[in-house]
Amino acid sequence: GESVGLHLPTLSVQEGDNSIINCAYSNSASDYFIWYKQESGKGPQFIIDIRSNMDKRQGQRVTVLLNKTVKHLSLQIAATQPGDSAVYFCAESYKETSGSRLTFGEGTQLTVNP
Amino acid sequence: DGGITQSPKYLFRKEGQNVTLSCEQNLNHDAMYWYRQDPGQGLRLIYYSQIVNDFQKGDIAEGYSVSREKKESFPLTVTSAQKNPTAFYLCASSRRTGGRVTDTQYFGPGTRLTVL
Repeated sequence: GESVGLHLPTLSVQEGDNSIINCAYSNSASDYFIWYKQESGKGPQFIIDIRSNMDKRQGQRVTVLLNKTVKHLSLQIAATQPGDSAVYFCAESYKETSGSRLTFGEGTQLTVNP
Repeated sequence: DGGITQSPKYLFRKEGQNVTLSCEQNLNHDAMYWYRQDPGQGLRLIYYSQIVNDFQKGDIAEGYSVSREKKESFPLTVTSAQKNPTAFYLCASSRRTGGRVTDTQYFGPGTRLTVL
């Protein structure tokens, strides 16, 4: 299953399928990107990050792809499990004179059906 | 057991009252942040602090105040001037390396504030 970020804030997949969550970021000067997972009533949990000098990074069952040309970021989750059900946020970081700060997207709700 | 703690988990306030939310970290992080999250929405930055005794306004600082007297603590006060304070409040922290604050922020469990 695949989402298109703000225009489709929910994604429903079957257990065992691969999931793709998309994010369009806004600032061409952003040089660092993070994906967070947030379960209901809890704080966001770091999943994976990527710097702008890379276009792909892999973790355990997750892969982040970065396309700077079109300012697009995606999170791929392999063999999605019910425990993956959560809201996923992308965040971009850019430098300001007072230091770096993160700007968060609106999030995508992933629901995994058993 | 290292991490970020926030207290209380749930907080109820009457209109016109100030209330202070606690955030403590034992990660030895230099920078700390406060975010507000409304239902079904992303995180918006209220205030952040790169170092002790210094802090900057974020995107929605009006009606809020902070202090950073200790490295481990960054309390947030929601004042009566905040017109719509009911929300989920998240605290985060990040470390500094080579004189620059790194980007990865780690979050606490959050405080849900409800105004009655």
